Amino acid sequence: NAGVTQTPKFQVLKTGQSMTLQCAQDMNHNSMYWYRQDPGMGLRLIYYSASEGTTDKGEVPNGYNVSRLNKREFSLRLESAAPSQTSVYFCASRSGTGGIGELFFGEGSRLTVL
Amino acid sequence: GDSVTQMEGPVTLSEEAFLTINCTYTATGYPSLFWYVQYPGEGLQLLLKATKADDKGSNKGFEATYRKETTSFHLEKGSVQVSDSAVYFCALLNQAGTALIFGKGTTLSVSS
Repeated sequence: NAGVTQTPKFQVLKTGQSMTLQCAQDMNHNSMYWYRQDPGMGLRLIYYSASEGTTDKGEVPNGYNVSRLNKREFSLRLESAAPSQTSVYFCASRSGTGGIGELFFGEGSRLTVL
Repeated sequence: GDSVTQMEGPVTLSEEAFLTINCTYTATGYPSLFWYVQYPGEGLQLLLKATKADDKGSNKGFEATYRKETTSFHLEKGSVQVSDSAVYFCALLNQAGTALIFGKGTTLSVSS
């Protein structure tokens, strides 16, 4: 009964390094999301994928890329990490039908960029 | 665009006190509204929701009523417990129905 699984849980990068955050859900949900959480800022949407094969920008997409690999997996890539990308990243999924489906979250990935 | 405003925290209460966390929203039409809770070191989980005006969502002793006149969805609980200590987020579903927009969160600390 895994739900939404994110890896890695913790990561430290140097400025300019690249990395990919992985996310997988086993609930057969259509929609998947990446949010970042920063103190005093709440959760801000980076990118989302309403269905397999589609991705769209959210509120803060700059410096990130995403891939919806298949229905289960949605990855977030930082091509050249910057200190401003130090944050806790959450992946989430939703059934996406009817517009009121509950959002299920992973446990988060804490990223520090030095 | 769509937005959610929550009261600033932290909110510090004694056990069994009454809790209110204010939430107002700006949106076109009447979006579905949600309260999520985040316990330390965990992801967010849905606490309650309301999908139309005058709906009342409730769960675990928490309640919130969708008020379209005041564009509000305030969270209330009659008697808080230490285990309720967490961060609470108000959210709405955007007009396109594709993503949730969150407030900044309110930290609740309950002491015994």
